[in-house]
Amino acid sequence: AQTVTQSQPEMSVQEAETVTLSCTYDTSENNYYLFWYKQPPSRQMILVIRQEAYKQQNATENRFSVNFQKAAKSFSLKISDSQLGDTAMYFCAFMKQGRNTPLVFGKGTRLSVIA
Amino acid sequence: NAGVTQTPKFRILKIGQSMTLQCTQDMNHNYMYWYRQDPGMGLKLIYYSVGAGITDKGEVPNGYNVSRSTTEDFPLRLELAAPSQTSVYFCASISGGPRYEQYFGPGTRLTVT
Repeated sequence: AQTVTQSQPEMSVQEAETVTLSCTYDTSENNYYLFWYKQPPSRQMILVIRQEAYKQQNATENRFSVNFQKAAKSFSLKISDSQLGDTAMYFCAFMKQGRNTPLVFGKGTRLSVIA
Repeated sequence: NAGVTQTPKFRILKIGQSMTLQCTQDMNHNYMYWYRQDPGMGLKLIYYSVGAGITDKGEVPNGYNVSRSTTEDFPLRLELAAPSQTSVYFCASISGGPRYEQYFGPGTRLTVT
């Protein structure tokens, strides 16, 4: 079974600064996907960024980028130029490739962006 | 497209009552999932379905039942509600490969007292 670990329950960052959220996972699969989701107080789950395990290049989406280390099973999220609207819970998630593949979530990191 | 819709948004149940949480998607996705999110925790899989007529248990299925008579609908049934089922429930659907795009509903906050 796959597990996802987020070791930072809470973090804070000053507005306009950069912050990195950590995520490690355990799997014996070779083909899989990794995701970071944002959950603001509205509770809506919003996909921030995704990474296919077969891709060596780290994914980027505007101010969000990942550091994917497949051998170390590490998948950290970097948020640059933090904004007040980035305040939310952030969940790391794993999905193996193929049918019958639900997401496995970490417990989340609560990020607060301070003005 | 409405995406994934869930009803109701909020509900309070008394212990022992039953209810059905509705989930509908209009994207013709075969894969649909029910998750629960307890306070301060990530999402845990309750049940999932890979197509009409096919369902299977996830990590925390006890106290719940599902059915999938159509591609669009995937209702979650709570029988004999218990305080331990107080949670936020999310329905999700996933498109097929290679992108496997995920879509979440807005969630249902359920309180059992």
